[in-house]
Amino acid sequence: DAGVIQSPRHEVTEMGQEVTLRCKPISGHDYLFWYRQTMMRGLELLIYFNNNVPIDDSGMPEDRFSAKMPNASFSTLKIQPSEPRDSAVYFCASSPRMRGNTEAFFGQGTRLTVV
Amino acid sequence: SQELEQSPQSLIVQEGKNLTINCTSSKTLYGLYWYKQKYGEGLIFLMMLQKGGEEKSHEKITAKLDEKKQQSSLHITASQPSHAGIYLCGADRGSTLGRLYFGRGTQLTVWP
Repeated sequence: DAGVIQSPRHEVTEMGQEVTLRCKPISGHDYLFWYRQTMMRGLELLIYFNNNVPIDDSGMPEDRFSAKMPNASFSTLKIQPSEPRDSAVYFCASSPRMRGNTEAFFGQGTRLTVV
Repeated sequence: SQELEQSPQSLIVQEGKNLTINCTSSKTLYGLYWYKQKYGEGLIFLMMLQKGGEEKSHEKITAKLDEKKQQSSLHITASQPSHAGIYLCGADRGSTLGRLYFGRGTQLTVWP
């Protein structure tokens, strides 16, 4: 397996524009996580899915953020409209189980810059 | 707010030296995960500790979880430039939601 695949790796956009980040989890993993990493706040969980269903979205900062998982092999994180403070590295991770001796596998991340 | 404190924030050591990174929680943990991150890349899983007093090793890296399950340390023996990166601890508090809370990370630099 190629691991968790995220696209794009880098995104530069103007304030107010819509941004869509994409993630392909590892096949067979039931859990998918979206994290955001900034210098100020470190690594924060935004939302996670179990079997394509959003379980906890309490980390989503505002209504401008939305995430979907239409099937087991694809998820999107959308920001509309984007703002400069959304600039961060966004990670997607997947896991076969939620708890136990199993870790989450992370993608390479998408570095988002909103100017 | 940061519920998981890591120290130090950054560490610069000479190759061959030993070092320790600490991760402290104000609450008892269900599990503690250690990850390593290189700049511009994702997180690589190192170890997971779940039992009080547990200790695990992988090559020259050893992680321990204290008996109270509130503090963990990551120890690197005879550091090498390949050990450089950001080390993050992640805490599973055992809630039904099962989310992981991460520390801010420790930036490790190893110079030859």
